[in-house]
Amino acid sequence: GENVEQHPSTLSVQEGDSAVIKCTYSDSASNYFPWYKQELGKRPQLIIDIRSNVGEKKDQRIAVTLNKTAKHFSLHITETQPEDSAVYFCAAMDSNSNSGYALNFGKGTSLLVTP
Amino acid sequence: SAVISQKPSRDICQRGTSLTIQCQVDSQVTMMFWYRQQPGQSLTLIATANQGSEATYESGFVIDKFPISRPNLTFSTLTVSNMSPEDSSIYLCSVVRTNTEAFFGQGTRLTVV
Repeated sequence: GENVEQHPSTLSVQEGDSAVIKCTYSDSASNYFPWYKQELGKRPQLIIDIRSNVGEKKDQRIAVTLNKTAKHFSLHITETQPEDSAVYFCAAMDSNSNSGYALNFGKGTSLLVTP
Repeated sequence: SAVISQKPSRDICQRGTSLTIQCQVDSQVTMMFWYRQQPGQSLTLIATANQGSEATYESGFVIDKFPISRPNLTFSTLTVSNMSPEDSSIYLCSVVRTNTEAFFGQGTRLTVV
C-alpha cells in the first residue's frame, strides 16, 4: 500500500519567514495530494491540493509543488503569521484504486510561528 | 464544501462498553470514511463505508470491533465495541465529493476509563 513520509515533524519559524514541509510517497499510482491544517482540538481543514497533472499550485501565501518523477511534494508558506501555527498533514490518494478516495496521511508537522 | 455533523463530540466511557458515533452529511455522498487519530498522531483509515455494501476495513481493524452502518447516502455510524483504554482516540468521519476533495466531521474525542 501507499506510504507517505513527512518531514520535519516540528518546525519553528519567526513571523514573516517562510516555512517548507516536505512529503514523499511510495505508490506511483497516487494522483491527488492534499494538504490539511489542523488546529488544536479542531478538525483537519483542506488548505491546498494538487493533482498529478500539475507541477505547482499557488493560493496567496500558500503553494504546493509536485515532482512525480521523484515522488515528492512540498508545502510552502510565505510571510508566515502566528495564526499559521498548527499541525499540517500531507496526504496522497489514488483515486483509481479499489479503495477509492481513501487518503494516506503523513505523520504531520507541528509548525510554530513566533512573533 | 460539505457540512458534516458528527456526534457525540466527546464522551468518557467505561471499559467493556460500546459507543456509537453518528455522522450526518448535508447532501448525498457515495463514499464515507472513518478515521482514527490517536493523541498527537496522524489520521489512520479504519474503513470505507459505501451505501448498499459491506464496509471495507483496513489492516488492523475488524468488523467485530468497529461495526459500521451506512443505511443511506447521508448517514453512517461507527461503533467502538468492548472498549479498552487503548481505544481512547479521536474518531473522524469523512466524505469525498466527486472532485476527490475530502471533508471531515468535527471528530469524536473518546476517553475510555
